[in-house]
Amino acid sequence: EIVLTQSPGTLSLSPGHTATLSCRASQSVSTTWLSWYQQKPGQAPRLIIYSTSNRATGIPDRFSGSGSGTDFTLTISRLEPEDFAVYYCQQYGNTPEFSFGPGTTVDIK
Amino acid sequence: QVQLQESGPGLVKPSQTLSLTCTVSGDSVDNRNAYWSWVRQPAGTGLEWIGHIYNTGVSGVPNYNPSLRSRVTVSLDTAKNQFSLNLNSVTAADTATYYCARVAFWNGLGFDSWGQGTLVTVSS
Repeated sequence: EIVLTQSPGTLSLSPGHTATLSCRASQSVSTTWLSWYQQKPGQAPRLIIYSTSNRATGIPDRFSGSGSGTDFTLTISRLEPEDFAVYYCQQYGNTPEFSFGPGTTVDIK
Repeated sequence: QVQLQESGPGLVKPSQTLSLTCTVSGDSVDNRNAYWSWVRQPAGTGLEWIGHIYNTGVSGVPNYNPSLRSRVTVSLDTAKNQFSLNLNSVTAADTATYYCARVAFWNGLGFDSWGQGTLVTVSS
């Protein structure tokens, strides 16, 4: 079973700064099957990155993803007020077929 | 633009069956390039994939989270463009917001469209 761990649990930053979020897998994950989501209170998650580094439709270019193997990163440059939210990584491929990390909260400092 | 909408009871008694339906518009559950999925989220915690169903063109093929497999059934109704979740023998631990979602093959198997979610409480 692949377990995803995200760090830090909470990231406190000011608008305009850069957020760097980490997702680590207990086993190697294909870059094709690693995605990131943004979730705001009371809303459903929103796909922002798929296949490690591809932005989903309508996602601004201040969001970028990278990584391989067991270590993946979501970077949010020039934080905007609407970017403060919880971010989850997700993998496909191993039992369970889909799994999510526990999330990183990006809040306003 | 694809839209998904969950429907079903918001309150279920312990030991009974939780039943939810997801109505899809803007896409077809016949789409062979997508999985139709259920995800849940207990209050204040993270996301858990429950299971999905995939239409092969001959039948719907389900796949489930092993942790829930013994209690879960996901099914398709192509005539109504819906898919459904049944979770039996529920306990308080099954209290959560339940989302239906589309997993798109063309988006690296990301969950690219979600319903708004429906809160289901298990309580007597």
